[in-house]
Amino acid sequence: EAGVTQSPTHLIKTRGQQATLRCSPISGHTSVYWYQQALGLGLQFLLWYDEGEERNRGNFPPRFSGRQFPNYSSELNVNALELEDSALYLCASSPGTRTIDQETQYFGPGTRLLVL
Amino acid sequence: AQSVTQLDSHVSVSEGTPVLLRCNYSSSYSPSLFWYVQHPNKGLQLLLKYTSAATLVKGINGFEAEFKKSETSFHLTKPSAHMSDAAEYFCVVSDGYGGATNKLIFGTGTLLAVQP
Repeated sequence: EAGVTQSPTHLIKTRGQQATLRCSPISGHTSVYWYQQALGLGLQFLLWYDEGEERNRGNFPPRFSGRQFPNYSSELNVNALELEDSALYLCASSPGTRTIDQETQYFGPGTRLLVL
Repeated sequence: AQSVTQLDSHVSVSEGTPVLLRCNYSSSYSPSLFWYVQHPNKGLQLLLKYTSAATLVKGINGFEAEFKKSETSFHLTKPSAHMSDAAEYFCVVSDGYGGATNKLIFGTGTLLAVQP
């Protein structure tokens, strides 16, 4: 069974540009989560999507946004990039909210974003 | 609010000796707790999870953890360390009571070094 996949693996942008990161969940999972792992700040929750809707959002500015497609894959968009957005962005998936195992999240390998 | 505290930022052991990584949690209700491992430049891999069933939880690669409510602890152990165990380990609590938020709250991580 394929795990969570993310693309691209690495992304280099300059300040002010926009970045788009993509995630495909494990087959059968309807929930997708995004986390940021920045140096010195640890792992922080960004966004949660389930069945196409945003369910929860972490303490990040509105220029961090995303969406979930009908096939449950997801996109994270970061607008007006700042230097401090440089981080590893991890995507995770879990079974949907009406399942027993809804809290167990399985992570992808991440996208490393570097903002110059 | 849920939180976890990893008591050691770095732990060094010799190959073949026991591993103990300490974690305390704070929760206003019965929590779901996890341990994840992150090898260098990789995503997060689920080691084990506690979801109010047996208090001694067995995970992959010989790791196990014991939930102790009286001590609010969820320490990770392994009887005999292997060189491949060298990685960063995260103790995690789910903020998803009743599926309300489902976000994971991460500890600051413990870097495990294994000496030959």
